Amino acid sequence: DQQVKQNSPSLSVQEGRISILNCDYTNSMFDYFLWYKKYPAEGPTFLISISSIKDKNEDGRFTVFLNKSAKHLSLHIVPSQPGDSAVYFCAATDNNNDMRFGAGTRLTVKP
Amino acid sequence: GAVVSQHPSRVICKSGTSVKIECRSLDFQATTMFWYRQFPKKSLMLMATSNEGSKATYEQGVEKDKFLINHASLTLSTLTVTSAHPEDSSFYICSARGTAGSGYTFGSGTRLTVV
Repeated sequence: DQQVKQNSPSLSVQEGRISILNCDYTNSMFDYFLWYKKYPAEGPTFLISISSIKDKNEDGRFTVFLNKSAKHLSLHIVPSQPGDSAVYFCAATDNNNDMRFGAGTRLTVKP
Repeated sequence: GAVVSQHPSRVICKSGTSVKIECRSLDFQATTMFWYRQFPKKSLMLMATSNEGSKATYEQGVEKDKFLINHASLTLSTLTVTSAHPEDSSFYICSARGTAGSGYTFGSGTRLTVV
């Protein structure tokens, strides 16, 4: 079963604008959430994470928001840059540290 | 959507034995398979990339004789941890990609515990 869902397979935004990538999960036992970025032919690289005790974590242009009641998190990139074009994966872990991934969203930032 | 079935989900084995992990693409042909190892709350480490019918390309520092990868068909790839030791205990996850330009689908992962 798909415990982590990214319902938008692709997203296209203009350079300088905000990119918002969404992720939903079903397992209430998840307590840690991560976003990974993946360029073609490379493995995913860690981008930003958030613990379930927080509702926001910010790192430079990247901010992750967590809404536990809605079982929803989002990644905001402001301002978006062409180099941000990649596939973004949402992931979640529980106490067992087993990681569950979403299907990914391909972000294209147009100059 | 695309589904990758990974088995087993959990395995406990004795030190010195070998363990095989399978990843099957259920409704698409996985031309490329990626194998990762994940440490608690940390980034995934790419271990190797395999294309169907070719030898896997291993990342630096990954012992190819210890982590045997086979990608003999477009729907099945296996990772065999040979002569497992407790330090090999980890969460292993595969990711499959179909034709160029298609997306990546992750398996559900395998929790390996070596005792």
